[in-house]
Amino acid sequence: QVQLKESGPGLVQPSQTLSLTCTVSGFSLTSNSVHWVRQPPGKGLEWVGAIWSGGSTDYNSALKSRLSISRDTSKSQVFLKMNSLQTEDTAIYFCTRSVLWVTPGAFDYWGQGVMVTVSS
Amino acid sequence: DIQMTQSPASLSASLGETISIECLASEGISSYLAWYQQKPGKSPQLLIYGANSLQAGVPSRFSGSGSGTQYSLKISSMQPEDEGDYFCQQSYKFPWTFGGGTKLELK
Repeated sequence: QVQLKESGPGLVQPSQTLSLTCTVSGFSLTSNSVHWVRQPPGKGLEWVGAIWSGGSTDYNSALKSRLSISRDTSKSQVFLKMNSLQTEDTAIYFCTRSVLWVTPGAFDYWGQGVMVTVSS
Repeated sequence: DIQMTQSPASLSASLGETISIECLASEGISSYLAWYQQKPGKSPQLLIYGANSLQAGVPSRFSGSGSGTQYSLKISSMQPEDEGDYFCQQSYKFPWTFGGGTKLELK
């Protein structure tokens, strides 16, 4: 069955780089897009960026200068790297799937999320 | 960026009541609109995509409608398990954006 699971450090120091991994199973990265969405504690959802089935990427313009999304299809993993972290980046980070020909533009499966706290 | 304005911010409904949540986009989004339910400590779950298509496995008491800039989610006959936060999301233009959320509680 379709599964996504995020992993990464729970605590990052200000100005440092965040590295997260999303490991997927039950579907192929070469025929589905994977997105990152974050949610500050007690607040709403923010789309961070995506890597598409062909390997191209799109980023939230507010984060683009600090953000990189990549993948390793052989390991079924998607990576998020965000540098110059600030306290405002404290959030739960979710990876999620969107399938163009099934639920276009919508996220049908989500990981459990990983809480990232930016603090010294 | 397209702004998604949800209303109301919170709502209390009785068992069996029909409720509606509205989502207003700052520009037309051609029905590229999804709705999600999120329960405390859990990931969001897709309810509706394409403004009015019910996601597989979602109870038929959930329905979506709308066009242009105005969209709504209706729950006919509120059930205890429907408590939670609800978010709309547009995928018409990048960056994809979400509404601020509606907290739904059982009265």
